[in-house]
Amino acid sequence: NAGVTQTPKFQVLKTGQSMTLQCAQDMNHEYMSWYRQDPGMGLRLIHYSVGAGITDQGEVPNGYNVSRSTTEDFPLRLLSAAPSQTSVYFCASRFGQGNEKLFFGSGTQLSVL
Amino acid sequence: DQQVKQNSPSLSVQEGRISILNCDYTNSMFDYFLWYKKYPAEGPTFLISISSIKDKNEDGRFTVFLNKSAKHLSLHIVPSQPGDSAVYFCAASAGSNYKLTFGKGTLLTVNP
Repeated sequence: NAGVTQTPKFQVLKTGQSMTLQCAQDMNHEYMSWYRQDPGMGLRLIHYSVGAGITDQGEVPNGYNVSRSTTEDFPLRLLSAAPSQTSVYFCASRFGQGNEKLFFGSGTQLSVL
Repeated sequence: DQQVKQNSPSLSVQEGRISILNCDYTNSMFDYFLWYKKYPAEGPTFLISISSIKDKNEDGRFTVFLNKSAKHLSLHIVPSQPGDSAVYFCAASAGSNYKLTFGKGTLLTVNP
């Protein structure tokens, strides 16, 4: 009963380093997405995917890349980390369109020094 | 431009009393609304939802009310329990649009 699994839970990077946040779901969900949560800003959509091979930008996509080669996995890549990317990152998935509830992972806390 | 607004960053209530969390939206295309609850160090979890064809939806202690003309929805928790202490996010979507837009959240504290 894994649901949405995110790794790692915590990560510290230096400015300019790159890394990939992993997200996997075992519910055969079409839709997967990445959000970041910052104090006083709520949850903001970074990128999303409506199926394997299909991705699109959300509200705050700059500095992040995504790809969706399988239904199960949706990794988020930071190519050159910046202190402004210090945040808590959540991956979420669901069946189909907007009137279905999202299932969230437990989050990745990222600090960029 | 914030399309989903939760204007109260925090709310404190006594155990057993009613908690009312409010949410306003500006996009008239939104037709489905959800509330999520988030504990520290955990991901948000779905609580309750409502479609724009309804004005009320109940699930146990939780009721969501929708006023389309005012573009306002509220979440009522009766009676409030200390375990309800969490951040509550309001979210909205429009038709076949895949995106879910969240408010900034309200921290609810229920005091014993």
